[in-house]
Amino acid sequence: SYVLTQPPSVSVGPGKTARITCGGNNIGSKGVHWYQQKPGQAPVLVISYGNDRPSGIPERFSGSNSGNTATLTISRVEGGDEADYYCQVWDSSSDHWVFGGGTKLTVL
Amino acid sequence: EVQLVESGGGLIQPGGSLRLSCSPSGLIVSHNYISWVRQAPGKGLEWVSIIYAGGGTYYADSVNGRFTISRDNSKNMVSLQMNSLRAEDTAVYFCAGGESSSYFEYWGQGSLVTVSS
Repeated sequence: SYVLTQPPSVSVGPGKTARITCGGNNIGSKGVHWYQQKPGQAPVLVISYGNDRPSGIPERFSGSNSGNTATLTISRVEGGDEADYYCQVWDSSSDHWVFGGGTKLTVL
Repeated sequence: EVQLVESGGGLIQPGGSLRLSCSPSGLIVSHNYISWVRQAPGKGLEWVSIIYAGGGTYYADSVNGRFTISRDNSKNMVSLQMNSLRAEDTAVYFCAGGESSSYFEYWGQGSLVTVSS
């Protein structure tokens, strides 16, 4: 089955840029989606298909995807961005939807 | 505004059965892709099952043969019948979906299922 690998944690100072990676075999050939989840809340879609932002998501959130790594970039990080972030793909070979293990973003 | 509301969670003994329901507003289930995604306490997200707009269904290996997803178009509702429940099925179950089969645009607030004796 397809596996997505994320770092458990990323820390960044306010106003800086946070980059959260998602590794997978030839992930650049897949559509990658990113979710933000704050404690006690449901996940929220922040990026679809690599770099499409749903309505209401700040432009500070962007994504890229190439080779074996997809990246979620959060510019000008704010305290309100502190959350768990999950990448997700659809694995066409198995018709399974796969999540990465999640990355906890801490704003110092 | 789209809202998804889950119901039916609770405490159930190992080996028991439970039925979760998802009732969306602002979204027609027969025109969209609806999934169940679960999150065990302190753990990450795990996709469980999906029902396609066309009616096709898929399941994670961990629940295949024990869980059944279904849809009632007249009630605009999606259900997840969970049988032979195990302790490892303990989780918050989210209803999620939207117009895309690839990702989950809308999410409910979740329903807690606890499997314990």
